[in-house]
Amino acid sequence: EAQVTQNPRYLITVTGKKLTVTCSQNMNHEYMSWYRQDPGLGLRQIYYSMNVEVTDKGDVPEGYKVSRKEKRNFPLILESPSPNQTSLYFCASSFTGTYHQQFFGPGTRLTVL
Amino acid sequence: GNSVTQMEGPVTLSEEAFLTINCTYTATGYPSLFWYVQYPGEGLQLLLKATKADDKGSNKGFEATYRKETTSFHLEKGSVQVSDSAVYFCALSDPGGTSYGKLTFGQGTILTVHP
Repeated sequence: EAQVTQNPRYLITVTGKKLTVTCSQNMNHEYMSWYRQDPGLGLRQIYYSMNVEVTDKGDVPEGYKVSRKEKRNFPLILESPSPNQTSLYFCASSFTGTYHQQFFGPGTRLTVL
Repeated sequence: GNSVTQMEGPVTLSEEAFLTINCTYTATGYPSLFWYVQYPGEGLQLLLKATKADDKGSNKGFEATYRKETTSFHLEKGSVQVSDSAVYFCALSDPGGTSYGKLTFGQGTILTVHP
């Protein structure tokens, strides 16, 4: 089954404790992206990647890092989480030519205390 | 920059009622427009899309028409069902933008349909 998976689905952590949210897709998509969803703000792009070893900032990259060492994986790293990073995070992927048809993962709900 | 504005929510309807969710946009280029749906506990799914002016996207009884003159892409359905209860997001993708592939989303509208 074609899908985007994220882990963990739920995470409660404390300020300053490094964490990684994994994202994996099995559709051989070149393009991958991370969004955060906050009430009243819709989804905002954090980082994106057009292919292996190619990443770039989105609209709200502060406090986040990403890497793209393999085509299928695009982890989101929070080196020192803060409470304002409490949010619902979505990973998405697509083929380069059909970037408008992005497939979304199920989401990761992160709470930073 | 690009932006998408959706009607204030939430929206509560009875089954078989007519649905309209308004969406207007601002874009520097010639965007493609989308409606995404998010069912409880799930990720977003593409519901329908339109890539140029006057295109009509449709799927599962929903439809929306790309109106360049009013910069709008309103979502409609003639008869909603309880299973349509979800959050609906209007979005655009601007191929002329600086962030390749980025989708700009509206705030989302919560739809609840009662039997």
